[in-house]
Amino acid sequence: DSGVTQTPKHLITATGQRVTLRCSPRSGDLSVYWYQQSLDQGLQFLIQYYNGEERAKGNILERFSAQQFPDLHSELNLSSLELGDSALYFCASSPGEGVTYEQYFGPGTRLTVT
Amino acid sequence: SQQGEEDPQALSIQEGENATMNCSYKTSINNLQWYRQNSGRGLVHLILIRSNEREKHSGRLRVTLDTSKKSSSLLITASRAADTASYFCATGPPEYGNKLVFGAGTILRVKS
Repeated sequence: DSGVTQTPKHLITATGQRVTLRCSPRSGDLSVYWYQQSLDQGLQFLIQYYNGEERAKGNILERFSAQQFPDLHSELNLSSLELGDSALYFCASSPGEGVTYEQYFGPGTRLTVT
Repeated sequence: SQQGEEDPQALSIQEGENATMNCSYKTSINNLQWYRQNSGRGLVHLILIRSNEREKHSGRLRVTLDTSKKSSSLLITASRAADTASYFCATGPPEYGNKLVFGAGTILRVKS
């Protein structure tokens, strides 16, 4: 158990809908990262927050947004969902920011868009 | 395109044998990390090796780094069925800022 929790574990929704994925980092970790993992694209970095502020952005679509709250939990919002958004979404946390820290991954949320 | 690329894409060995996976990357790095992922689960950090280190050990794991060749290898000795998983290398090139870039992974199957 990494100490990172993600809810829900599974999500099935229809195209055009909007969903929110939630992540609670390990106690004491200030950085939260979001990743998307699909069979054709592999593990793709989406966005990173550190202590409430956006710090790095990857291949995140404009239809997706995220935020980190004062209690350090984070939410990833996916809107106008398309079939291609079906994937595993992982949250990870680390004590600091930057790539010198190891990242602790949550169990993921499996999103299926029908 | 991927910064890190693992080789081979898949590896099947018998329990007790050693497994070696390689990772090549394209640009300079601060460090390189290896992660394991059991099917459909979250990734688990295995080891981090800094750019000024050449070799690092953790239990049955041995990681080497050759910055001149822009490559790293992960050796798992005396493999067990429980080592069956996907293994990813991840790099953080300075120009990528805080982004950790993962390779496509090596799928390891250890047969008992």
